[in-house]
Amino acid sequence: NAGVMQNPRHLVRRRGQEARLRCSPMKGHSHVYWYRQLPEEGLKFMVYLQKENIIDESGMPKERFSAEFPKEGPSILRIQQVVRGDSAAYFCASSPPVGRTYGYTFGSGTRLTVV
Amino acid sequence: GNSVTQMEGPVTLSEEAFLTINCTYTATGYPSLFWYVQYPGEGLQLLLKATKADDKGSNKGFEATYRKETTSFHLEKGSVQVSDSAVYFCALREAASGGGADGLTFGKGTHLIIQP
Repeated sequence: NAGVMQNPRHLVRRRGQEARLRCSPMKGHSHVYWYRQLPEEGLKFMVYLQKENIIDESGMPKERFSAEFPKEGPSILRIQQVVRGDSAAYFCASSPPVGRTYGYTFGSGTRLTVV
Repeated sequence: GNSVTQMEGPVTLSEEAFLTINCTYTATGYPSLFWYVQYPGEGLQLLLKATKADDKGSNKGFEATYRKETTSFHLEKGSVQVSDSAVYFCALREAASGGGADGLTFGKGTHLIIQP
């Protein structure tokens, strides 16, 4: 049973390009969460999705960032027109549908570098 | 709303020392509590958890006891190793349906450095 799969592991983009980060949740997990981690800082919640629905995007910047979790395929975090400040590690996590006793299972992250 | 407060790091210890990383929480209901560990360059891994008062979570020599009266979940280990060097995150989860940002609330993390 594979864990949460994120790809690519490392991504380099020039300023102004688009970055696409992919996340495949664990089998049986229907909830996906994206977090951003800046150097020397903690995790910042970005967005929570279920299949074909954005449940909570209160942590997403209003511009240039979007997320989706289609019926088929992985969840995608998209950053348009990247800037240097977007350089960070982006982590995806998944969890089963219900149960406060469950923690999240995290992927290994995508480290985005904007040059 | 819910919140988790951890002691600030970095925490630097010598090998075989006793470790305590403090964690206290604020919650409106009855949460489950978690410790996650992040090794350099990797994602977060669940270290241990406790789902009700007085439960003790344990794994890899680490322990934490859910103290409802003091709203705490301090992480302890009797004898640390260099390989324990990592960032440790305390977290709580309260929502029955995993709803959004309140589904899992993290502390800011504590960087632990173990010197040989």
